Amino acid sequence: DSGVTQTPKHLITATGQRVTLRCSPRSGDLSVYWYQQSLDQGLQFLIQYYNGEERAKGNILERFSAQQFPDLHSELNLSSLELGDSALYFCASSVAESLYNEQFFGPGTRLTVL
Amino acid sequence: GENVEQHPSTLSVQEGDSAVIKCTYSDSASNYFPWYKQELGKRPQLIIDIRSNVGEKKDQRIAVTLNKTAKHFSLHITETQPEDSAVYFCAASGGGYQKVTFGTGTKLQVIP
Repeated sequence: DSGVTQTPKHLITATGQRVTLRCSPRSGDLSVYWYQQSLDQGLQFLIQYYNGEERAKGNILERFSAQQFPDLHSELNLSSLELGDSALYFCASSVAESLYNEQFFGPGTRLTVL
Repeated sequence: GENVEQHPSTLSVQEGDSAVIKCTYSDSASNYFPWYKQELGKRPQLIIDIRSNVGEKKDQRIAVTLNKTAKHFSLHITETQPEDSAVYFCAASGGGYQKVTFGTGTKLQVIP
């Protein structure tokens, strides 16, 4: 157990809908990262937040948005969902801002868009 | 942007043999190269990483080598064990506050 929690574990929804994925980092970690893992795209970095502020942006679609709250938990919002958004979404956390710090991954949220 | 290629996509070795996974990257500005292990149905876990100011790093049975000139880096696992069976991902980033780009993964099977 990495200490990073993600809810829900599984999510099934329909195209065009909007969902919110939640992540709680390890105690003491200030950075949160979001990743998407799908069969055709592999593992992709989406976005990083540090202490409430966006720090680095990867291949995140405009339909997706994220935020980190004052208590350091983070939410990833996915809207206008498409079939291709079906994937495993991981959250990871690390103690500091730099990518040189080890990231600890949560168990993931499996999103299925029907 | 950065492009990371990883080979092979699958690798089968006998228990006790060595396994080597190779990655190449395109952006000469990349300076941080982590490797992750992901067991079936589980989360990725960092197993070793290397920065561009170092040519080799070793941790027990795992080692990573980096050739900055050729822009490639490799993961070496010696004395493989069945519990080494997993998917291994390489990655590259500018370190610091840059985004990270992953390779496509190598499924390693260690045959007892």
